Amino acid sequence: EPEVTQTPSHQVTQMGQEVILRCVPISNHLYFYWYRQILGQKVEFLVSFYNNEISEKSEIFDDQFSVERPDGSNFTLKIRSTKLEDSAMYFCASIKDRDRVPETQYFGPGTRLLVL
Amino acid sequence: DQQVKQNSPSLSVQEGRISILNCDYTNSMFDYFLWYKKYPAEGPTFLISISSIKDKNEDGRFTVFLNKSAKHLSLHIVPSQPGDSAVYFCAASSSPQGAQKLVFGQGTRLTINP
Repeated sequence: EPEVTQTPSHQVTQMGQEVILRCVPISNHLYFYWYRQILGQKVEFLVSFYNNEISEKSEIFDDQFSVERPDGSNFTLKIRSTKLEDSAMYFCASIKDRDRVPETQYFGPGTRLLVL
Repeated sequence: DQQVKQNSPSLSVQEGRISILNCDYTNSMFDYFLWYKKYPAEGPTFLISISSIKDKNEDGRFTVFLNKSAKHLSLHIVPSQPGDSAVYFCAASSSPQGAQKLVFGQGTRLTINP
């Protein structure tokens, strides 16, 4: 069964460093998302992306964050200058067709980011 | 801003019995509801969903009930099995389809005791 994959599974970085989290959505999916879960808290929406554009972003998704679909398969989340509070699990998700209502989002296994 | 709430952080159920997980929401614009199951160090796995035009959806051992007037939904698992032990998240989204972001509850940790 097709699945969303994410790399790396774990990343440790120093505060102020840039990190890039990578996702490969399910191949025929068109709509992509990033969510995060800080330890012990709920899963929170960060950003949605369709047709090479951000569709919606949350207040968490400030200027330090950016997303990109550099090629036909990868979807990346970049944090320009990491802060301690960026430590979390980051999940990528995708859906097949945004015009088909309703549509289930399928999640990747996540990247655990630790900022020291 | 807790638009989706799961008030029970944990639930313990005997194997073979029914597990009932509850979820409340405040945003009347939500029209699609999902339950995800999550194991440690894994991503949320889709379990079952329900559209606001229905009040019940069943898939094998899993049934989701929606009470729109009470803004409440529940997930029933029967019979409960040890492999069902996980954290269960309720999530909701609203039309239009443009973003369809999911709003999650805090999760309920379900433990099935043999």
